[in-house]
Amino acid sequence: DTGVSQNPRHKITKRGQNVTFRCDPISEHNRLYWYRQTLGQGPEFLTYFQNEAQLEKSRLLSDRFSAERPKGSFSTLEIQRTEQGDSAMYLCASSLREVPYEQYFGPGTRLTVT
Amino acid sequence: AQRVTQPEKLLSVFKGAPVELKCNYSYSGSPELFWYVLYSRQRLQLLLRHISRESIKGFTADLNKGETSFHLKKPFAQEEDSAMYYCALYGNKLTFGGGTRVLVKP
Repeated sequence: DTGVSQNPRHKITKRGQNVTFRCDPISEHNRLYWYRQTLGQGPEFLTYFQNEAQLEKSRLLSDRFSAERPKGSFSTLEIQRTEQGDSAMYLCASSLREVPYEQYFGPGTRLTVT
Repeated sequence: AQRVTQPEKLLSVFKGAPVELKCNYSYSGSPELFWYVLYSRQRLQLLLRHISRESIKGFTADLNKGETSFHLKKPFAQEEDSAMYYCALYGNKLTFGGGTRVLVKP
């Protein structure tokens, strides 16, 4: 296990298109998190899963955003009808339920909306 | 609401000089504070947490509840400490500050 992986690493899309990102967590971790990071800011929490259940969603997660973790393993984050303001780095992290603050981050997916 | 503020965007120091990264927080409950670090071409990773009260890579951080601060310090900076540092608070989720870039010059 080489840690949390994310695909793709980079995505350029035109405004209005839909995009989907994938995150594969560390296999024994039951919690999975999504963050968004824009230039000059720290990561901002979007949502998290415990196993397959989505337990919390940030107000940042508009109706155009949806996340799933269907079998409690990998997760996908979909953005519909992308806008230029969606351009950011999308980070995934995972942890054990017992130590939720000790999160292991993936390399991120950089989204550019033109 | 949880809020973390890192007032310095950039800290530039010479090798061997002390470095202190400031972090202030706002949280109504009992906070758990952490420092995460992002080295060039690596992933964001946990550096240290206040409850462990340990020194990691020569760094220490003390939680001051009166001043609502959790400053990160190292007495003698090394070039390999050049990185982006994020202070984070865990209430019911991790909330990060905006980050401080540390540049250690030879």
